[in-house]
Amino acid sequence: GAGVSQSPSNKVTEKGKDVELRCDPISGHTALYWYRQRLGQGLEFLIYFQGNSAPDKSGLPSDRFSAERTGESVSTLTIQRTQQEDSAVYLCASSPRAIGGYTFGSGTRLTVV
Amino acid sequence: DQQVKQNSPSLSVQEGRISILNCDYTNSMFDYFLWYKKYPAEGPTFLISISSIKDKNEDGRFTVFLNKSAKHLSLHIVPSQPGDSAVYFCAATARAGGTSYGKLTFGQGTILTVHP
Repeated sequence: GAGVSQSPSNKVTEKGKDVELRCDPISGHTALYWYRQRLGQGLEFLIYFQGNSAPDKSGLPSDRFSAERTGESVSTLTIQRTQQEDSAVYLCASSPRAIGGYTFGSGTRLTVV
Repeated sequence: DQQVKQNSPSLSVQEGRISILNCDYTNSMFDYFLWYKKYPAEGPTFLISISSIKDKNEDGRFTVFLNKSAKHLSLHIVPSQPGDSAVYFCAATARAGGTSYGKLTFGQGTILTVHP
């Protein structure tokens, strides 16, 4: 596609439920990143993919968070047993190479009630 | 620890005047800096960047200045336009050594409002 696509755009879930957030990067972009932005804060790095591998998962906040990428394309961020502090906008970005200045999607706004 | 800081949560400027957005960093390994602009309900969009080997980079109405000794950078917008009203994020990465993978560390953002 023309840009980075994320779905759903909004998700409200009950505390304790699992959620899956999807990212479709720009075709041919080998680098893919997940960030999150909590209210009033900057973007926090979560995980980086090069192809289907994740060389840097250092930003994942806990073992409730996991992500995968398949076909050097779509990525899914999964949050298990959601907590209220997981409420945030989750942003995905892709780049043809890992140097920054990448293209972000519009994000998924996750609200845990 | 906040390695990239934008100490002004908001800035209000009259149309046609200069907007100056500031950013400070603490990590000496950072050698590449970027500014992103974000409108509500949209993802951040890349605006301008600067390498640590330079002290200034200009692109149209946007100029970024880097003061390495002070670990400070600023974004100047001249002249400011109402359409520039958005949240501006400063970001930094350490590219030397090829280990950063393009991972960016962001500041908290500054809300810029340009009044007509």
